[in-house]
Amino acid sequence: AQSVTQLDSHVSVSEGTPVLLRCNYSSSYSPSLFWYVQHPNKGLQLLLKYTSAATLVKGINGFEAEFKKSETSFHLTKPSAHMSDAAEYFCVVTPNSGYSTLTFGKGTMLLVSP
Amino acid sequence: GEEVAQTPKHLVRGEGQKAKLYCAPIKGHSYVFWYQQVLKNEFKFLISFQNENVFDETGMPKERFSAKCLPNSPCSLEIQATKLEDSAVYFCASSPTSGSNTGELFFGEGSRLTVL
Repeated sequence: AQSVTQLDSHVSVSEGTPVLLRCNYSSSYSPSLFWYVQHPNKGLQLLLKYTSAATLVKGINGFEAEFKKSETSFHLTKPSAHMSDAAEYFCVVTPNSGYSTLTFGKGTMLLVSP
Repeated sequence: GEEVAQTPKHLVRGEGQKAKLYCAPIKGHSYVFWYQQVLKNEFKFLISFQNENVFDETGMPKERFSAKCLPNSPCSLEIQATKLEDSAVYFCASSPTSGSNTGELFFGEGSRLTVL
């Protein structure tokens, strides 16, 4: 069994300040973890993924995430927010071997103010 | 094509009517997945295909929902006799592999179904 908890439904930051979106997971197996972004009325776009290689993962648009097994966390960060980062972000988990469907978190809305 | 194409973008049906959604996966991708997003943020897996064969249908409601992926045609998701709770955004995704754990799913922009 697996589950994902996104700890904040909304996060508000000012442009140019750091972003932290929190994600904790639970998995009976070694997990693969993903962050997807969804802009309004758009599909999901993959930001980054962890699949049992390096624990610090760099993604697109300056985002990165660190897999911490001891804390069962996979928080998403960015040093400096941009207005275009405003969107819904989903943390996703799946076992890292074999076939399984994705388990989504409930999403965090990132609001960026000028 | 280079993107997953879903049609229609919006569909409104009266309760009890049929709804049919379409998805053209990225060319060369063998796997197609359907997800239902209800209450804005809850994603539920419905079904996946490997080419025209059902790969995993553990998420499909046993009644009223059906899906197909036929050669040289868009994949489809059909809901017979829609109910209010079917109102959701239906996302299609495609992948070159079955391993969502190793690969990336490429999502379409979704089809919003509203049942009145």
